[in-house]
Amino acid sequence: KAGVTQTPRYLIKTRGQQVTLSCSPISGHRSVSWYQQTPGQGLQFLFEYFSETQRNKGNFPGRFSGRQFSNSRSEMNVSTLELGDSALYLCASSLFELSTDTQYFGPGTRLTVL
Amino acid sequence: AQSVAQPEDQVNVAEGNPLTVKCTYSVSGNPYLFWYVQYPNRGLQFLLKYITGDNLVKGSYGFEAEFNKSQTSFHLKKPSALVSDSALYFCAVRDNAGNMLTFGGGTRLMVKP
Repeated sequence: KAGVTQTPRYLIKTRGQQVTLSCSPISGHRSVSWYQQTPGQGLQFLFEYFSETQRNKGNFPGRFSGRQFSNSRSEMNVSTLELGDSALYLCASSLFELSTDTQYFGPGTRLTVL
Repeated sequence: AQSVAQPEDQVNVAEGNPLTVKCTYSVSGNPYLFWYVQYPNRGLQFLLKYITGDNLVKGSYGFEAEFNKSQTSFHLKKPSALVSDSALYFCAVRDNAGNMLTFGGGTRLMVKP
């Protein structure tokens, strides 16, 4: 089975722009979660989707948004980019939304904001 | 609120020696605990998890972890370290109420030949 794929792998944007990142989960997986990883803050949870519904949301400003499509693919959007948004954005998928389900991670999208 | 602590930023061990990466957690109710490993410029790879049952959990690449409820710990162990085990290790916890997966700050493992 193919793993979680994320596109693009690398992205360079300037302050004030917006960006959309894409995540395709493992085939058959219906839950997708997004995380931001930075050297200073570590791994921080952004949001979790299951069957196109947002189940959990982390403590991020409204500039960060996401959605999930009927085929379980997910996108996250960051508007009005700030320098501090530079990070590795990781997507993870799991079979269902259960707390016991293992989340499998993609390789990430490295976003650089100049 | 749930939380995870990994008290050591870095652990150094010689190749062939046993290794331990420490993790303590705080959660309401029963904890579901996970270990992941991250190699440079890669995503996280799942190693093992504890849901219920035997306190000693065996996972990928010879790693195992011991769940200790009284000490609220879930330490990662391996009997004999390899240089290729050098990476960043993350412990994570989730409660049984469907809240988000919460990660510790990570521990860098350095295995020297």
